[in-house]
This record gives sequence, structure tokens and C-alpha cells, in this order.
Amino acid sequence: AQKVTQAQTEISVVEKEDVTLDCVYETRDTTYYLFWYKQPPSGELVFLIRRNSFDEQNEISGRYSWNFQKSTSSFNFTITASQVVDSAVYFCALGRRPNTGNQFYFGTGTSLTVIP
Amino acid sequence: AAGVIQSPRHLIKEKRETATLKCYPIPRHDTVYWYQQGPGQDPQFLISFYEKMQSDKGSIPDRFSAQQFSDYHSELNMSSLELGDSALYFCASSLRLAPDTQYFGPGTRLTVL
Repeated sequence: AQKVTQAQTEISVVEKEDVTLDCVYETRDTTYYLFWYKQPPSGELVFLIRRNSFDEQNEISGRYSWNFQKSTSSFNFTITASQVVDSAVYFCALGRRPNTGNQFYFGTGTSLTVIP
Repeated sequence: AAGVIQSPRHLIKEKRETATLKCYPIPRHDTVYWYQQGPGQDPQFLISFYEKMQSDKGSIPDRFSAQQFSDYHSELNMSSLELGDSALYFCASSLRLAPDTQYFGPGTRLTVL
């Protein structure tokens, strides 16, 4: 069975602080995909990053960085120098390889509030 | 680039009424997915279609049905609406062989009064 756990329900930080959002996943598949989405109050799901299971290279994109560790089944997301506009709910999701059930499995989300 | 289109964006219905949500996938995408996100919840997979055939089924209530048409657009039909059906409904599309490239639409917010 596929499962994504985001243990942090809500996080509050003061602007310019760094914050890390945790994501732990469970799957028996050897090929899978991991995603992070941002959902602002307007409701749309904004795609942030996709990682496949064979690519453990960490990635940095501006103030965002991701740490993928297969050994601990984790795919954590760090925002550096947080800004008020980062306030949103962030979802981690797991996708499977083609023809094994193509739907995404979402974590329960982490609500991030950045205080000015 | 063209994205997934959903209509309407907002819908208000009374209990026991019927609602139809529409989804227009990204051009050349052959697979459509429907997700339901209740208040404060994560998106839950409902159903998907590939080449107009039901592909996978999730936690879709029997009161709901969906189909994909020859132009690949999809409709989610919801009957006998209940208060608990109030949610954000997302449609996503992808190529069947590249499910990791699933793109989400902006969602339809359904409110049942």
C-alpha cells in the first residue's frame, strides 16, 4: 500500500526564518515519483517539484530546496528566508509507475504561516 | 502553454440536487483523473479514465458517475447531493505512460446547502 505522512500539521515561522517541511512515504514499488505542491488560500494546487525514485540528487531552486533520502523514505522541503507569500498548505504526494494505478497519494498537508 | 480547464469554478447547489462538473485536459493528454478535497483534507482520488474507458477507481460514491468523451473531456456527475459533498474537486490530466506528468486544473468549488 502507498502512504504519505506529513507529521507537521501546522507550522508558524517569523519572516526570514528557514523552515523545513517533512514528508515520509511508504511504498513497495521500486519505481515511483514524489511531488510537492503548494496550495494557497485561493485553492489551486501549484506544482513545485517532481522527483523519481532513481534520482536522489538534492535540488535547489531559489529559496526552495529538497532533500530526498531513500534510506529513510523521506523527501523533505526547505524554504530559506521565508516570506509572507509562502504562507499556504503544502502537500507531499506519491505517484506510481505507469499501469500500476496512476493516481497520486497525498499526505495530509502542512499549513505554513509566515508571520511578518 | 494550455492547462487543464475546469468548469464551473464555483457551484452552489441544494441538498438532493444534481451537479455536473466538466474537465478539459491538456491537448494530447489521454488520461483524466478526478480528485475530491474536503475542507481541511488532502485530495482523495475518485476515478480516472484512459481513452474513454474507466481506468482506476478510488473512493467515489455510488451517487457519482463520470465519463470521458471522444474529445477527451470528462464530466463528473453527482446526484442526490449531500452536505458532505461540499468540497474542492480537482481534475488532472496526463499521458497514460507518463503519470508522473500529471497536471492539475484549478478546481471546482462545490458548496451544498
